[in-house]
Amino acid sequence: NAGVIQTPRHKVTGKGQEATLWCEPISGHSAVFWYRQTIVQGLEFLTYFRNQAPIDDSGMPKERFSAQMPNQSHSTLKIQSTQPQDSAVYLCASSLGTGGDEQYFGPGTRLTVL
Amino acid sequence: AQKVTQTQTSISVMEKTTVTMDCVYETQDSSYFLFWYKQTASGEIVFLIRQDSYKKENATVGHYSLNFQKPKSSIGLIITATQIEDSAVYFCAMREKNTGYQNFYFGKGTSLTVIP
Repeated sequence: NAGVIQTPRHKVTGKGQEATLWCEPISGHSAVFWYRQTIVQGLEFLTYFRNQAPIDDSGMPKERFSAQMPNQSHSTLKIQSTQPQDSAVYLCASSLGTGGDEQYFGPGTRLTVL
Repeated sequence: AQKVTQTQTSISVMEKTTVTMDCVYETQDSSYFLFWYKQTASGEIVFLIRQDSYKKENATVGHYSLNFQKPKSSIGLIITATQIEDSAVYFCAMREKNTGYQNFYFGKGTSLTVIP
């Protein structure tokens, strides 16, 4: 089992450009989570899918951020018109989705917006 | 309001000693799950141990154990015989039943340094 896979590991964009981050959850896991981590804010919840359906996106900035899960094997987080304050490590996690199960995290994508 | 609070920002201990990291949580739910995760210097986040709210026994995995005090809404992580490689940031997290177990609430983390 390869664990949760995230690509790319590092991404540098210019201000105003678009960034798309990819996540491949562990096979058989029905729940996928996206988080953002910064020194100042810590680990922030962004959005959550279960069985590919968006369940909760209460942590997503309403503008410029969107997430999709077109199939059970991958999810994407898209940031349009990136701003310097979007610079962070974006983490994807998956879990079995059975209730009290733990999450397994990917290695993260470090996004730097110049 | 913070659902999960870790008041200790950083802790330093000597190698081979025991350390306890504190975590308090807020919930109205009668059923919930508590977790501890470790983030290493490389950024990798690893699940360590969990406590189910309906279990009275404290969970133990290897040299990690929990001090679950339900009346105080407290779930401390105890690491015995600490090793250099235990140096990391430790996060406490909670998952509530009333949200359908949908959300994980994470604390801000406690940075542990183990001194040789």
